[in-house]
Amino acid sequence: QVQLKETGPGLVQPTQTLSITCTVSGFSLTSYYMQWVRQTPGKGLEWMGFIRSGGSTEYNSEFKSRLSISRDTSKNQVFLKMNSLKTEDTGVYYCARDVNGTPFDYWGQGVMVTVSS
Amino acid sequence: DIQMTQSPASLSASLGETVSIECLASEDIYNNLAWYQQKPGKSPQLLIYYASSLQDGVPSRFSGSGSGTQYSLKINSLESEDAATYFCLQDSEYPYTFGAGTKLELK
Repeated sequence: QVQLKETGPGLVQPTQTLSITCTVSGFSLTSYYMQWVRQTPGKGLEWMGFIRSGGSTEYNSEFKSRLSISRDTSKNQVFLKMNSLKTEDTGVYYCARDVNGTPFDYWGQGVMVTVSS
Repeated sequence: DIQMTQSPASLSASLGETVSIECLASEDIYNNLAWYQQKPGKSPQLLIYYASSLQDGVPSRFSGSGSGTQYSLKINSLESEDAATYFCLQDSEYPYTFGAGTKLELK
């Protein structure tokens, strides 16, 4: 069955870099887009960006050049990296699967990230 | 960016009642509108996509409608398990944007 699971650091210091891994099973990363969404107390649900089945990426300009999404298809993993973290980046980060016409049909459980010194 | 204005922010209803939640887009999103249900501590779950298509496994008491800039989610015959927060999402244009959410409480 389709499963997605995010793993991440939990606590990150301001100005540091956040790295989260989404490990998937039950489907191929070369057949689906993989999305990243976060949920913060200040802004609610925010779309961050995605990596297409072919490997190209699209980002929300809100995150400017801070965000990078990549993958390792051999390990069934998708990666989110975001630098220059601020306290406002505290929230739950989700990966989700996407197929054309059916957005975010499966989600991971989410990983809570706290940005604090 | 397309703004999604969702209403109401919260509502309270009784078991068996019917409720509707609205999302108004700041411009035409051509039916590229999805609805999600989120329970506390859980990730969102897809209910409706392309404005009115019911996701596999979702009870038929959930339905979506709308076009252009105005969309709605209707829940018939409320059950206790429907207590949750509901969000709309537009995936018509980057950046995708979500509504602020509607918290549904069962009396």
